[in-house]
Amino acid sequence: KAGVTQTPRYLIKTRGQQVTLSCSPISGHRSVSWYQQTPGQGLQFLFEYFSETQRNKGNFPGRFSGRQFSNSRSEMNVSTLELGDSALYLCASSLAGTGGEAFFGQGTRLTVV
Amino acid sequence: DQQVKQNSPSLSVQEGRISILNCDYTNSMFDYFLWYKKYPAEGPTFLISISSIKDKNEDGRFTVFLNKSAKHLSLHIVPSQPGDSAVYFCAARGTGANNLFFGTGTRLTVIP
Repeated sequence: KAGVTQTPRYLIKTRGQQVTLSCSPISGHRSVSWYQQTPGQGLQFLFEYFSETQRNKGNFPGRFSGRQFSNSRSEMNVSTLELGDSALYLCASSLAGTGGEAFFGQGTRLTVV
Repeated sequence: DQQVKQNSPSLSVQEGRISILNCDYTNSMFDYFLWYKKYPAEGPTFLISISSIKDKNEDGRFTVFLNKSAKHLSLHIVPSQPGDSAVYFCAARGTGANNLFFGTGTRLTVIP
């Protein structure tokens, strides 16, 4: 059974640009959550999608957005990139509803220059 | 406000001995706790979890203990192996939610 797949693995962008990251959850998993990991702030929750609807949102500015498709694949978009957006972005998938374990992808390393 | 805390940034243990990683939380609404292992530039790997209705859960060499009154949980690894060397994160989730609150991690080094 394939795990959580995130693409691309590495990305370099310039300040002011926008970026889209992709996540394919484990087959059958309908909940996809996104997290940002930085050395200073640790792992922080961005948002969660379930059945194509954003169900929960963390404390991030509106420049961070996401969506989920009918096949449960999810994308995360960051607009007007800032240097501080450089981080490892992680996607986690869960089976359904709430509860149970969350399984993470390998992440996308975004560097903003 | 850090709702999940791992106060020891690092821990070194001899191979074969027990590793004990600690985690404290402040939110009494958390009802599910998880431990993850992480290598640099990779996603966290799920290790073991525990529901708030239990006080212990075992899986092979890994055991998690939960003390709800103290809002404290710990991960025991016995015996420790060099391959266990990684950063360990404690995470917690509230009722009816999927978002996880993570601690800042403890770097475990198992010395051969």
